[in-house]
Amino acid sequence: AAGVIQSPRHLIKEKRETATLKCYPIPRHDTVYWYQQGPGQDPQFLISFYEKMQSDKGSIPDRFSAQQFSDYHSELNMSSLELGDSALYFCASSDGVRAEAFFGQGTRLTVV
Amino acid sequence: SQQGEEDPQALSIQEGENATMNCSYKTSINNLQWYRQNSGRGLVHLILIRSNEREKHSGRLRVTLDTSKKSSSLLITASRAADTASYFCATVRYMEYGNKLVFGAGTILRVKS
Repeated sequence: AAGVIQSPRHLIKEKRETATLKCYPIPRHDTVYWYQQGPGQDPQFLISFYEKMQSDKGSIPDRFSAQQFSDYHSELNMSSLELGDSALYFCASSDGVRAEAFFGQGTRLTVV
Repeated sequence: SQQGEEDPQALSIQEGENATMNCSYKTSINNLQWYRQNSGRGLVHLILIRSNEREKHSGRLRVTLDTSKKSSSLLITASRAADTASYFCATVRYMEYGNKLVFGAGTILRVKS
């Protein structure tokens, strides 16, 4: 069965650079979530989209933005990167009816 | 944590023993989900229990939900070394557009062989 695909799997950036993370949800899932997970931390909700519209916003810095495109894939754009942005970034998708969220393998971002 | 606490934060048991992890949350929910995460890997969905359900089973997993106490427990029976992982609960609230999915703090389970 198709799963949530995230790319890239690993990313190394320097401070003040920008990064773009991509997420391809499971086909026919109408909701996409983005989470940030620091070392030893629980996943922190950043932002979600329902049917290509932003549906909820969590602790997402103003330096970050995200969008969902017509083909339902989503991108998380991160600018002016800081060392503290180093983390695992997960994307998840769900069917609004069944509501089980399925996660991608994550993108490990390292800011140096 | 954005949602609540998990109890215990870490648990170490012998293979074959049962492991019980608890999760508390703060707001009303529509369902609660449990996930497993191996170190540095993605979160794997284990089981979902709806707010009108009190108990659910899946293989060696048993989940209970007490909405009056805003708490849930995950029991893993006959644990195996491969069960070593972090376990998270996540609550879901239905919204007008999309759902809200919020994680608890997680329990680190170590199963010794």
